[in-house]
Amino acid sequence: GAVVSQHPSRVICKSGTSVKIECRSLDFQATTMFWYRQFPKQSLMLMATSNEGSKATYEQGVEKDKFLINHASLTLSTLTVTSAHPEDSSFYICSADWGEYNEQFFGPGTRLTVL
Amino acid sequence: LAKTTQPISMDSYEGQEVNITCSHNNIATNDYITWYQQFPSQGPRFIIQGYKTKVTNEVASLFIPADRKSSTLSLPRVSLSDTAVYYCLVGFTGGGNKLTFGTGTQLKVEL
Repeated sequence: GAVVSQHPSRVICKSGTSVKIECRSLDFQATTMFWYRQFPKQSLMLMATSNEGSKATYEQGVEKDKFLINHASLTLSTLTVTSAHPEDSSFYICSADWGEYNEQFFGPGTRLTVL
Repeated sequence: LAKTTQPISMDSYEGQEVNITCSHNNIATNDYITWYQQFPSQGPRFIIQGYKTKVTNEVASLFIPADRKSSTLSLPRVSLSDTAVYYCLVGFTGGGNKLTFGTGTQLKVEL
């Protein structure tokens, strides 16, 4: 199956700093990537849809200026959490869409802790 | 997007067959039914997908009745390692279409 990686797997940062999370499709080109956030004991919540070469589409209630998404190539999308605060601490998961197959492939997730 | 309803939790014992049912009354004609498994602090893992009738792979079976308003994931002879959250999703997951996760079912397998 197709492989999606995320880096870093976990990050701890101080309040007010910015954190960048990378999502890569390793063996296929992903026309669309999705970013999710998951709080403890809760389901995945879609944050935004990222298409290569165009602006991301954010879900209602997600601040686009706080969660910057860049999908510069068909294999890489990045999520930058700007001016992070403790309430941004969460598990961030990306997924990639091959387009030709009716399936999405998920990354292993990134645990963000903001002190 | 079709809304899905699953039991919040289920308990089972090793070696038993587990059936998790998901209802999706407003499924659309071109929607597929996909099940994912998620372990703590990991991304969801694809289990199985179907459109109608029955689909079987090496880890599970998916039963879909003719009206497609529900589906049942069947896990044969579960083990402790099957303890996880299972999500049923309905929609067309390819071509840039977003997935909406419901609450999922927490399956706990005991000895």
